[in-house]
Amino acid sequence: DTAVSQTPKYLVTQMGNDKSIKCEQNLGHDTMYWYKQDSKKFLKIMFSYNNKELIINETVPNRFSPKSPDKAHLNLHINSLELGDSAVYFCASSQGGTVTEAFFGQGTRLTVV
Amino acid sequence: DQQVKQNSPSLSVQEGRISILNCDYTNSMFDYFLWYKKYPAEGPTFLISISSIKDKNEDGRFTVFLNKSAKHLSLHIVPSQPGDSAVYFCAASDPGTYKYIFGTGTRLKVLA
Repeated sequence: DTAVSQTPKYLVTQMGNDKSIKCEQNLGHDTMYWYKQDSKKFLKIMFSYNNKELIINETVPNRFSPKSPDKAHLNLHINSLELGDSAVYFCASSQGGTVTEAFFGQGTRLTVV
Repeated sequence: DQQVKQNSPSLSVQEGRISILNCDYTNSMFDYFLWYKKYPAEGPTFLISISSIKDKNEDGRFTVFLNKSAKHLSLHIVPSQPGDSAVYFCAASDPGTYKYIFGTGTRLKVLA
């Protein structure tokens, strides 16, 4: 039973399209995150949500819009996709913010062509 | 501005020997440190953590050491096994900021 699951695992799309990545966690955690791993393999925070409220928006273009319908879900919608958006996107969750470890999903490899 | 650094991009170790992975940080406010292992096409998997009030934490073959004065932590794997071959990330958290800051990773290869 997967703790943090993301769909889809792979996403290939054309520039200018709009796409969404879904994330669900069944750990009962109250904090969820989106991280981006770029071509240099850096893992960078994009967003943090705590109890469905946006806590961190780390200078991400407003084409990226996270949505948390409930504590178990954090989806990422991306408008007007650009070539530079190609990366692996990871969802994660933790309990009580960053005072405990985070559990990561398997990642979504987004390729914009 | 990289607040968490892993200066060795790769490391090769013989099976059965000790692997030592290093990590340096710049922010003295960090109070919780973690190590993650990552296989290709998978998400990072939590390995071990340490609070800033401790200087050592051990879990089986994995031990993390923290030297706060040097702003340095290390992960020791003893004995190393081929299945340990992966990319290892260290991470740090700043209390109340709701984000983990990751290093750039070290690729460990354990040779059989």
